[in-house]
Amino acid sequence: GQQLNQSPQSMFIQEGEDVSMNCTSSSIFNTWLWYKQDPGEGPVLLIALYKAGELTSNGRLTAQFGITRKDSFLNISASIPSDVGIYFCAGRNTGNQFYFGTGTSLTVIP
Amino acid sequence: EAGVAQSPRYKIIEKRQSVAFWCNPISGHATLYWYQQILGQGPKLLIQFQNNGVVDDSQLPKDRFSAERLKGVDSTLKIQPAKLEDSAVYLCASSFHGASTGELFFGEGSRLTVL
Repeated sequence: GQQLNQSPQSMFIQEGEDVSMNCTSSSIFNTWLWYKQDPGEGPVLLIALYKAGELTSNGRLTAQFGITRKDSFLNISASIPSDVGIYFCAGRNTGNQFYFGTGTSLTVIP
Repeated sequence: EAGVAQSPRYKIIEKRQSVAFWCNPISGHATLYWYQQILGQGPKLLIQFQNNGVVDDSQLPKDRFSAERLKGVDSTLKIQPAKLEDSAVYLCASSFHGASTGELFFGEGSRLTVL
């Protein structure tokens, strides 16, 4: 199985700042997903992307499906304390297998 | 709509003992996955079912891990005998796949500690 490369590994930001993280793969995916995981909980789906080049927003979150189909980006604008958690990207291949990134740990300082 | 249900939430066993985890997916989701998540890492796929058939179990350590989904609905993951390195959260997820879409929904996970 493969694991996607996600960066940065961790981020410490001030409340109100914007956040950017990305995910790259050696393989092509037909779906990119972004999840947030809080301690002791399962990952929760934030955004799903289905087409190369697609840009999708969910409130303060914006994600993009890279045109090469091998990468994706997530931006969080005007961060708030409840944004704290670990963010994972996931790619889905034609066999409906989902592979996950290594995670980005976000800390928001009030 | 009820989410993915898993039990137990927590389990502590000694090495060489056995353990079983149960999962009930979202109603109507034909595809069910078991993932292993070691602390500080992303989820790693163990096995994928489509209805009651195995699609991918290439990452499942078959000498000690087994999983079944006999009626195509709920599923059980078993570890026997457990090793220290099996300490992890075991996540169950389900998906309903359309022609060009597919989203994965997770349960809360079962946290295993092997002593």
